[in-house]
Parts: sequence; C-alpha cells; structure tokens
Amino acid sequence: AQSVTQPDIHITVSEGASLELRCNYSYGATPYLFWYVQSPGQGLQLLLKYFSGDTLVQGIKGFEAEFKRSQSSFNLRKPSVHWSDAAEYFCAVGLANQAGTALIFGKGTTLSVSS
Amino acid sequence: GAVVSQHPSRVICKSGTSVKIECRSLDFQATTMFWYRQFPKQSLMLMATSNEGSKATYEQGVEKDKFLINHASLTLSTLTVTSAHPEDSSFYICSARVLAGGENTQYFGPGTRLTVL
Repeated sequence: AQSVTQPDIHITVSEGASLELRCNYSYGATPYLFWYVQSPGQGLQLLLKYFSGDTLVQGIKGFEAEFKRSQSSFNLRKPSVHWSDAAEYFCAVGLANQAGTALIFGKGTTLSVSS
Repeated sequence: GAVVSQHPSRVICKSGTSVKIECRSLDFQATTMFWYRQFPKQSLMLMATSNEGSKATYEQGVEKDKFLINHASLTLSTLTVTSAHPEDSSFYICSARVLAGGENTQYFGPGTRLTVL
C-alpha cells in the first residue's frame, strides 16, 4: 500500500540555522510529491511540488526539496530558518485513481524555532 | 491564483442537527474537489472525492449517508454533516484540484472547525 513517512514528529531549530525535514514514501510508480505547511487553525499552503524533470525543486518562502528516487525520499530544506517558519509541515504523495488524484499525507512534522 | 475558500470557518451546533460546509474555488474551475478530516495533532484523512455533476466517491469507513457531498457547479462543493454527534467534532478541510499541463495540484481551503455539543 502507498504510504508516506515523516520520521521526525517534532524538530526545534535555532533562528538562522539550516533546516531539513525528512520524507520517505512508498509507491510503485513515480509519484507526484508535495510539501504543505499548516499554521495553527489554518488550512494547508502549498510550499512546492515535484512531478517530473529537475529533481531539485524550489518553492515559496525560500524552501527547496530534492527528489531522490533511489532513496524514495523527498526531503525539504531551508538554508536559514525564520521564526515565522514555525508551523506544521506535511509531505504528501499524489496518487492516480478513477476520480482524480488523491493525496496521501504523512503524519506531519512540527517545527519550532528558537531565538 | 488558485484560491479556495470555506464557509463557515467555525461552527458550533447541538447534537442531532445538520451542518453544511461550503467549499469554493474563487479564481478557477475545479471538476474535482476533495474533503479531508483532521483530528487534533493528526494528519489529514481523505473522506471523499467530489466530482462535479456526479456522485461523490467515499473512502472506506466514511458513511455516505452521514456526510452528504454535493458538487453542483465547477466552483462549489458542499459537505453536509447530518445528525451530527460529538464524535463528528473535527477540523474539516476541502481542496480543489487544478489541472494544468499534465500536472495535478490540490489547493486547500482554510478549514472549518466543527464543534458538536
């Protein structure tokens, strides 16, 4: 069965430090891959996505992610974290079904930023 | 672009009543919308896929008679929680799918917090 694993439940990073959030997926074909961010009580905002082509994708707010097929990973990175980046981050895999492409989400990683 | 709205953002109702949540794509047409449910500190769980002009496709374990979905137009899908009970209290999030150049991307609404007393 398809699945998405985010190994880190909670990460704390100092403001200005670099960040890497891990995501591994299990899927038989080349997936569509997404990272979303959710602030408390809010919906999800798309950070970036990968469908094909260049395996290093750039997103909004200075985030990037790299698709590594051999490792079934799609880790999210940011070189310098800002306090406003504190939020919940979800990795998701897009699947194809008869009705369209549903998303399978990981359990999320909570990012805290310390000063 | 690709803005999705939900209404209401927060609703409190008595047990046994029905609640309707609207999901609108504001600047694009969406033939497919999705409804998710999120419990506190949990990830999103897909409830159903809503297709314009046809019946919704429900995920296993989701009661279609309890969670009525209507997708009457290309910009509006509604979720009605019928005879709500306290265990239905949750954060409901919709998304609308954008198709462009062979890509599939879902844009999410801000969510609706439902509290059933």
